[in-house]
Amino acid sequence: ETGVTQSPTHLIKTRGQQVTLRCSSQSGHNTVSWYQQALGQGPQFIFQYYREEENGRGNFPPRFSGLQFPNYSSELNVNALELDDSALYLCASSVGDEQFFGPGTRLTVL
Amino acid sequence: GQQLNQSPQSMFIQEGEDVSMNCTSSSIFNTWLWYKQDPGEGPVLLIALYKAGELTSNGRLTAQFGITRKDSFLNISASIPSDVGIYFCAGLTSGTYKYIFGTGTRLKVLA
Repeated sequence: ETGVTQSPTHLIKTRGQQVTLRCSSQSGHNTVSWYQQALGQGPQFIFQYYREEENGRGNFPPRFSGLQFPNYSSELNVNALELDDSALYLCASSVGDEQFFGPGTRLTVL
Repeated sequence: GQQLNQSPQSMFIQEGEDVSMNCTSSSIFNTWLWYKQDPGEGPVLLIALYKAGELTSNGRLTAQFGITRKDSFLNISASIPSDVGIYFCAGLTSGTYKYIFGTGTRLKVLA
């Protein structure tokens, strides 16, 4: 049990729609990172937030955006969904260099 | 996206056997993490390594931070059926925020 929760567990959207995924981090963990994990691959870094500001970004287009709130919760927003956005989306909270993952949200884009 | 090379890609072993897997990179890392992921779940942190040459154990698991800082190794002793899953390495360069994950080693244990 990592203390990191994500919602929803599963989600089905159609191409062109927008989606918001949510994460609740461990109390005291002021850094949260979001990853995309395609089937059969390792997680790919999307971006990281530290104290409510974006701290760094991976190779993902601007239609992937995020927010972090003072209560250790955060959101990942994806606009104009594409079929290739279908994946498991993971958030990870950290203090220091150790990251602890939530169970993920499985997004399917039809 | 960039991924580290893990080998083997998959392996079947008998219960009770020892398992070795490794992770290699073309870049130097200052931190290595090893995770286990079960189907439909998020990765669970197993071991964290912070220093070249460091050897760290967590129960039946032992991981090493390679001296070149470009590789890391994970050993599982006396495997049991619940060791089944996908094992990922992840490396972090000092001063950056982005962990690079490996391609994964899928472990299957035959009872």
